Amino acid sequence: AQSVTQPDIHITVSEGASLELRCNYSYGATPYLFWYVQSPGQGLQLLLKYFSGDTLVQGIKGFEAEFKRSQSSFNLRKPSVHWSDAAEYFCAVGAIEGGTSYGKLTFGQGTILTVHP
Amino acid sequence: DAMVIQNPRYQVTQFGKPVTLSCSQTLNHNVMYWYQQKSSQAPKLLFHYYDKDFNNEADTPDNFQSRRPNTSFCFLDIRSPGLGDAAMYLCATLRDPSYQETQYFGPGTRLLVL
Repeated sequence: AQSVTQPDIHITVSEGASLELRCNYSYGATPYLFWYVQSPGQGLQLLLKYFSGDTLVQGIKGFEAEFKRSQSSFNLRKPSVHWSDAAEYFCAVGAIEGGTSYGKLTFGQGTILTVHP
Repeated sequence: DAMVIQNPRYQVTQFGKPVTLSCSQTLNHNVMYWYQQKSSQAPKLLFHYYDKDFNNEADTPDNFQSRRPNTSFCFLDIRSPGLGDAAMYLCATLRDPSYQETQYFGPGTRLLVL
């Protein structure tokens, strides 16, 4: 069964500082990996995704993530954080096998980002 | 140009009173999902439809049912809501899992059980 671990429940950074959110996954095959962001009371917005190819993927709002197969990681980074980035971030792995899986996502527990002015 | 629409955005119900949450999509996607997200937790998949093929997660309580009358609409029925069912319910769609596609999420319905 697939699983995702986000080791950091809560991270606080100063505005303008760099950011890295950690994500480790467990999956038997090549994973599909995603990062979503959720503001309070809102749905999930996709930041970026990895299916194959270049292991460094660029997303919206200046975010990027790097897939490292050897470490089973897909960490999210941003060089300079803005106050509007304060939200909860979820890493997810997608199943691609057929049968009853049909692309289901398994999410990590989420990391809450607080940005200090 | 909303693509995945959930109604209502907020729903208050009484303990034990059946409630239905609605999801519609304009994307003509084959797969529709329902997730439950409790406060400060990750979204958890309840079930999904691939076309008319219904797939229930093993640990989804019997209290939760779903209907998909056509491609565009999918409903979540909670037959007898308990206090523990208070959560955000997220609907998502996927064109086809055989492609390198992304799930599109709706804004969610927040359910409060009194």
